[in-house]
Amino acid sequence: DSGVTQTPKHLITATGQRVTLRCSPRSGDLSVYWYQQSLDQGLQFLIQYYNGEERAKGNILERFSAQQFPDLHSELNLSSLELGDSALYFCASSEGLAVYNEQFFGPGTRLTVL
Amino acid sequence: AQSVTQLGSHVSVSEGALVLLRCNYSSSVPPYLFWYVQYPNQGLQLLLKYTTGATLVKGINGFEAEFKKSETSFHLTKPSAHMSDAAEYFCAVKLGGAQKLVFGQGTRLTINP
Repeated sequence: DSGVTQTPKHLITATGQRVTLRCSPRSGDLSVYWYQQSLDQGLQFLIQYYNGEERAKGNILERFSAQQFPDLHSELNLSSLELGDSALYFCASSEGLAVYNEQFFGPGTRLTVL
Repeated sequence: AQSVTQLGSHVSVSEGALVLLRCNYSSSVPPYLFWYVQYPNQGLQLLLKYTTGATLVKGINGFEAEFKKSETSFHLTKPSAHMSDAAEYFCAVKLGGAQKLVFGQGTRLTINP
C-alpha cells in the first residue's frame, strides 16, 4: 500500500459526459501528479500540482482540468468524454519538488467510456 | 523524440533463470532513472532508482540495474526469476530538472515454470 488513495476504482460512463476522479496523497506529500495509461499512448504525464498551485503541464487535453485543494487532495475533471479517453488514470504524490523525490502511485481509476 | 526506449514488449524466462530487461534513454545531460513494476490491477511500485553516485543500483525483490553512460542504458537484472516476478516493468526518466516521469512503453515479463 503506497498510501495514495484514488476513488472511484472503476467508472463507466457515456460519450459526452463529465466525470471527476479524486486523489488523496500520502500524508505529508505536497506534490500531486496525474498520469494516463492507455494501450496506444502508454503512460503519459498529464499535470502536476504543488501545494495547491499548478506546477507543470504535460499532454493534457483542454477538455481535462485538475485542481489541488487546501487539504492537498486533488481532483481530475474530464469533460465531453470521447471513446478514446478510456484509460487507467493514476495519481502519484511526492514529498516536495526535489527531482530525486520518489513518486508514490495510487491504484488508479479505470475509466470506460461507452 | 522518444526519451526512453524499452527493447522488447514481452520477455519470457524460465523460473530460476536470469532476468534481463533492457532500457535505453536519450539525453544530453545525465538523467535520473527509475524502474517501476506494475502487477495486474495495481498501481506502479518503485523497484529502484539512479540519481547520482554508484552506477550499480540495488532495488527491492532482488533486482538491480546498472547505469552505463557510454551506452545510455539502464538495464534491469535479477539473477534468478521467481513466479511472483511476473508483471509489467517500466523504465522511466526525469529530464532537465523536471519532476515529471517520462515512461518507456513497458515490458511484460512472463515466468515459465
